[in-house]
Amino acid sequence: DTGVSQDPRHKITKRGQNVTFRCDPISEHNRLYWYRQTLGQGPEFLTYFQNEAQLEKSRLLSDRFSAERPKGSFSTLEIQRTEQGDSAMYLCASSSLQGSHTQYFGPGTRLTVL
Amino acid sequence: QKEVEQDPGPLSVPEGAIVSLNCTYSNSAFQYFMWYRQYSRKGPELLMYTYSSGNKEDGRFTAQVDKSSKYISLFIRDSQPSDSATYLCAVHNTDKLIFGTGTRLQVFP
Repeated sequence: DTGVSQDPRHKITKRGQNVTFRCDPISEHNRLYWYRQTLGQGPEFLTYFQNEAQLEKSRLLSDRFSAERPKGSFSTLEIQRTEQGDSAMYLCASSSLQGSHTQYFGPGTRLTVL
Repeated sequence: QKEVEQDPGPLSVPEGAIVSLNCTYSNSAFQYFMWYRQYSRKGPELLMYTYSSGNKEDGRFTAQVDKSSKYISLFIRDSQPSDSATYLCAVHNTDKLIFGTGTRLQVFP
């Protein structure tokens, strides 16, 4: 078991561009979560999937954000028309169905919007 | 009022000291309480979790929950320079985690 992986690890983009991040969860985990972390703050919940179904979205997830998990395995998070305020660490986590309190995080994707 | 409050520190202690990290939370319905460790520019790493009140020990780490006062603690015994990191407390709320801001800990030799 290699743990949760995320790609890319770093992304620098210009304001207005679209970016997409990928997350590969622990293979036997049904649930996959996205969080966002800004400097000096704890991670904040964005959305989560159970298999391929997106079950909850935070009000932090504006219309410019979309997440998918088409085959119930890996997930992508896309941000359209990026803004400087989108600069943050985007974290993915996964858990089993019964163990949603024990979420295992990936290394994160650090996004910088210029 | 934030649902989970945590002093951001920084907390600086000498090697070998006992470290006490604390959080408070607002909702008495929370049942699971987690501690994560996060090194600079890395993802959070789950250290341990506690269900309801009581203590849980894992090596040099002890997690404690007092539901009557809505207080969560993490104690680190015989602290090492490698323990230098940010420690995040979190509560489990209907499938998602709510985190505190994290406390930055530095253990100097």
